[in-house]
Amino acid sequence: GAVVSQHPSRVICKSGTSVKIECRSLDFQATTMFWYRQFPKQSLMLMATSNEGSKATYEQGVEKDKFLINHASLTLSTLTVTSAHPEDSSFYICSARVSGQLGNSPLHFGNGTRLTVT
Amino acid sequence: KNQVEQSPQSLIILEGKNCTLQCNYTVSPFSNLRWYKQDTGRGPVSLTIMTFSENTKSNGRYTATLDADTKQSSLHITASQLSDSASYICVVSRSGGSYIPTFGRGTSLIVHP
Repeated sequence: GAVVSQHPSRVICKSGTSVKIECRSLDFQATTMFWYRQFPKQSLMLMATSNEGSKATYEQGVEKDKFLINHASLTLSTLTVTSAHPEDSSFYICSARVSGQLGNSPLHFGNGTRLTVT
Repeated sequence: KNQVEQSPQSLIILEGKNCTLQCNYTVSPFSNLRWYKQDTGRGPVSLTIMTFSENTKSNGRYTATLDADTKQSSLHITASQLSDSASYICVVSRSGGSYIPTFGRGTSLIVHP
């Protein structure tokens, strides 16, 4: 159980276009989802915390107008990279916690999205 | 500053051998420490969780230890297999608030036949 599905797994887009990444909890409800960015051989860097029905909380240095997050339901959060540039090329991962569980419960991760901006 | 440092950065071992990965942290106040395994191009998967009162926890061939006094943890892998090749990430969560975790950079393990 506790499966998180992330789509697409890979996407290539042209500079200036926007890309939407979906993160779905398939068999549980997730009040909170997290979005990360990971560069090669680097750790996951938290970008934002997505809360169902409210505005996302962004980490310092992350542009909220560039990385739009929508968490409209308890099973779906989306990350839209607007006006993508080559420097936005990275591995984006989402994670979710089962609603109602304690904060020390595990994070369930999606399989990530490899974004390449040409 | 809340940090998680892992060593070694990378490790190459032969199939069947044992290895130990290290994690030092300064995260405070401490809630729990998890070890995750991340296969290339995939999301991390939780291996073990350690809370303040736990010293050792095993999950199959994986054994994690925690010394909360020295703020150190280790992950021991016994009789390594080719499928153990992955990045192992130490994640420490603070207590209180929304338990936002702090991620280490990971140790890249390669198991050769």
